Amino acid sequence: GAVVSQHPSRVICKSGTSVKIECRSLDFQATTMFWYRQFPKKSLMLMATSNEGSKATYEQGVEKDKFLINHASLTLSTLTVTSAHPEDSSFYICSARDRVPGQNYNEQFFGPGTRLTVL
Amino acid sequence: SQQGEEDPQALSIQEGENATMNCSYKTSINNLQWYRQNSGRGLVHLILIRSNEREKHSGRLRVTLDTSKKSSSLLITASRAADTASYFCATAVNNDMRFGAGTRLTVKP
Repeated sequence: GAVVSQHPSRVICKSGTSVKIECRSLDFQATTMFWYRQFPKKSLMLMATSNEGSKATYEQGVEKDKFLINHASLTLSTLTVTSAHPEDSSFYICSARDRVPGQNYNEQFFGPGTRLTVL
Repeated sequence: SQQGEEDPQALSIQEGENATMNCSYKTSINNLQWYRQNSGRGLVHLILIRSNEREKHSGRLRVTLDTSKKSSSLLITASRAADTASYFCATAVNNDMRFGAGTRLTVKP
């Protein structure tokens, strides 16, 4: 299957700072990328869907000014947690959908996740 | 919002036994997928079953799908300690994928 990477894999920051997480599709083009958040022992909750070159669509209850998403290219989406607070500590997972006709067309592939800890 | 519920929420069995997890969902789907997640790690894709399929096998895994009941089951046969993980179903609805609450499986050696 296709590979999605995330960077960093783990980040610890002080309260009030901003943190940027990168999601890259390494061997395919992804016009659509998804960001999920997972609290300990809970399931993945979809935060937002981003399409290359357009604004992200946020799920209900997710603050768009707090979680800035940029999908500037077909292989890169970034999630910036602005003015992070301890309650933002979570596991953030991105996913990318392969839009090129072929074996993996329209399948969704997941990154390994980023563990954010806000002190 | 989450798409469905998984049952049971937690399951503890002995090595060698079979483990069955169920997933229910609410809306029409294109496909349903099962994932495994070890504690603190990323997702591992296990199997995908399309809405027009009723059963699918992959190694020790068997997945069924009943679209009339909006439910799916994942059976792991001859379980091993290494199968200990959380298992999630995920449904593809239109343009995105939604996850169930998950089942935490513990396989005791």
